[in-house]
Amino acid sequence: AQTVTQSQPEMSVQEAETVTLSCTYDTSESDYYLFWYKQPPSRQMILVIRQEAYKQQNATENRFSVNFQKAAKSFSLKISDSQLGDAAMYFCAYVNSGGSNYKLTFGKGTLLTVNP
Amino acid sequence: GAVVSQHPSWVICKSGTSVKIECRSLDFQATTMFWYRQFPKQSLMLMATSNEGSKATYEQGVEKDKFLINHASLTLSTLTVTSAHPEDSSFYICSARVGNTGRYSNQPQHFGDGTRLSIL
Repeated sequence: AQTVTQSQPEMSVQEAETVTLSCTYDTSESDYYLFWYKQPPSRQMILVIRQEAYKQQNATENRFSVNFQKAAKSFSLKISDSQLGDAAMYFCAYVNSGGSNYKLTFGKGTLLTVNP
Repeated sequence: GAVVSQHPSWVICKSGTSVKIECRSLDFQATTMFWYRQFPKQSLMLMATSNEGSKATYEQGVEKDKFLINHASLTLSTLTVTSAHPEDSSFYICSARVGNTGRYSNQPQHFGDGTRLSIL
């Protein structure tokens, strides 16, 4: 079974600074996707960034970028120029793209606090 | 992006009553819908997966008779919490899957905004 591990229950960053959230996963599959979701206090699940396992290039979305290390099964999220609105719970997630139902496996989450 | 509407957003009811939560995909047909439960400051826990027209597949430890799931059409799935008790109080989130091709297929699941269930 696939597992996703987020080793940092909580992180904090100063506004305008950079923070990196860690995620490791375990799978025997070769074809999969990885995601970072943001869940603000409103509890809405917001997709931040997506990475296909077959792509070597790290995904970027404006101030958000990932460091995808396939061999190490590591998928960290870097948030640059942190803003107060970035404060939220962040979940790393995995899905086997060859699976029939596309079930997501979530990590336990990292609570990010942004200090003004 | 794809819109998944979940209703109600918040419900308070007495112990022993049944509560129905609806999940609708508004601008796409969902091949599969998922139901999650989330406790405060914890991750999403998958309760069940449902495909239109067939019985839901429940995760281990989830009571089928307590959490009834109906997926009668490609745009609607419902979760009914039967004879609800205070321990069923939680945040419930649904999501819908489009499929591998076409519009919105870049995301594995599109999430509703969740339902906060409080049982008194």
